[in-house]
Amino acid sequence: DTAVSQTPKYLVTQMGNDKSIKCEQNLGHDTMYWYKQDSKKFLKIMFSYNNKELIINETVPNRFSPKSPDKAHLNLHINSLELGDSAVYFCASSQGPGDQETQYFGPGTRLLVL
Amino acid sequence: RKEVEQDPGPFNVPEGATVAFNCTYSNSASQSFFWYRQDCRKEPKLLMSVYSSGNEDGRFTAQLNRASQYISLLIRDSKLSDSATYLCVVTYGGSQGNLIFGKGTKLSVKP
Repeated sequence: DTAVSQTPKYLVTQMGNDKSIKCEQNLGHDTMYWYKQDSKKFLKIMFSYNNKELIINETVPNRFSPKSPDKAHLNLHINSLELGDSAVYFCASSQGPGDQETQYFGPGTRLLVL
Repeated sequence: RKEVEQDPGPFNVPEGATVAFNCTYSNSASQSFFWYRQDCRKEPKLLMSVYSSGNEDGRFTAQLNRASQYISLLIRDSKLSDSATYLCVVTYGGSQGNLIFGKGTKLSVKP
């Protein structure tokens, strides 16, 4: 029944490792997003895909690479993890890319880099 | 520069109280406005959109003042379940869903 799901929920890893976070939505939406919420609770958009095409790419290190194999999935791969990558990563989806579209968030993936 | 400013709180109020949150945004080109709610260690959820004429949803009233670039949220008859962080959110024309979040205002409703 979960509308937007993410795996894993928790991820603890060492600096320098490469890790992936997966996101799936069963709402039939065309648009998906990745957000980062840091320790100061600031929630910032990282990427957005519409129909598997990248439409938003904020200033994010190129160690972060999103991949959308289909409309229902948007994964985030992070290379050479750094301490500053520790945060909660939220996936979201919306019917379309418009500003008035309601975005539905997943439960978040809590990443801790040691 | 894209910025949304909110009083971080916390606002500690008794049940039944009326509480108001304010938010200012820096870019006059902002087009869409929302209030999201985020419970502790949970994901943000849309509480309500904010329209130019102001809008109400039950105990919640949202107001927008474009001239002052100011958004407000009023909660009447606070419930314990209203305890959460309230996030002010704006988008910019043509931003394709790029939500700009404020840091949020924490509300704690006490019995």
